[in-house]
Amino acid sequence: DVKVTQSSRYLVKRTGEKVFLECVQDMDHENMFWYRQDPGLGLRLIYFSYDVKMKEKGDIPEGYSVSREKKERFSLILESASTNQTSMYLCASNSLGDTIYFGEGSWLTVV
Amino acid sequence: GESVGLHLPTLSVQEGDNSIINCAYSNSASDYFIWYKQESGKGPQFIIDIRSNMDKRQGQRVTVLLNKTVKHLSLQIAATQPGDSAVYFCAEEKTSYDKVIFGPGTSLSVIP
Repeated sequence: DVKVTQSSRYLVKRTGEKVFLECVQDMDHENMFWYRQDPGLGLRLIYFSYDVKMKEKGDIPEGYSVSREKKERFSLILESASTNQTSMYLCASNSLGDTIYFGEGSWLTVV
Repeated sequence: GESVGLHLPTLSVQEGDNSIINCAYSNSASDYFIWYKQESGKGPQFIIDIRSNMDKRQGQRVTVLLNKTVKHLSLQIAATQPGDSAVYFCAEEKTSYDKVIFGPGTSLSVIP
């Protein structure tokens, strides 16, 4: 079975803190994605990556950055967390043209 | 613009009945469609998919129907069970471009 693992399920951070959300997939997928999910807004794409050290902005990249140093790992970084970044963050991966598989989500609260 | 939408935001079904969840898409170039189930507090889970060269695909208790003429996708769940209560998303993709568009979701509630 495909497994996308998000290391942190629940985090509480203070405004201005730097936040790292880590994601690992075990299916050798080329593509990895970070989404955020908010009530009434659905899934919104933050960043994605088609290859190691490669990144592309999604629909809402402001306030975020990403890192993909290894094929299996894709990190989402909030350089200076703000309260409007309180959300559920979902990591996903796939091979080109194939099903996207999601992790279990990371609930981030910024106070 | 491109969009994937669901006709009903909520759906209540009696346990044992069949459920039908609908989805409209607007990009006629999309060639791959996926249904996801998301339980409370969890990530979306793949249920079933269908490619544009098919109009029906069956899984275990689930069937996806694709009508390309009217750009409509539906998920049918047979003999709905309490464990089927969740939010269901449809998604469309143009595989050569690999951009996936997700619908807003339909919340399915199963009445015991």
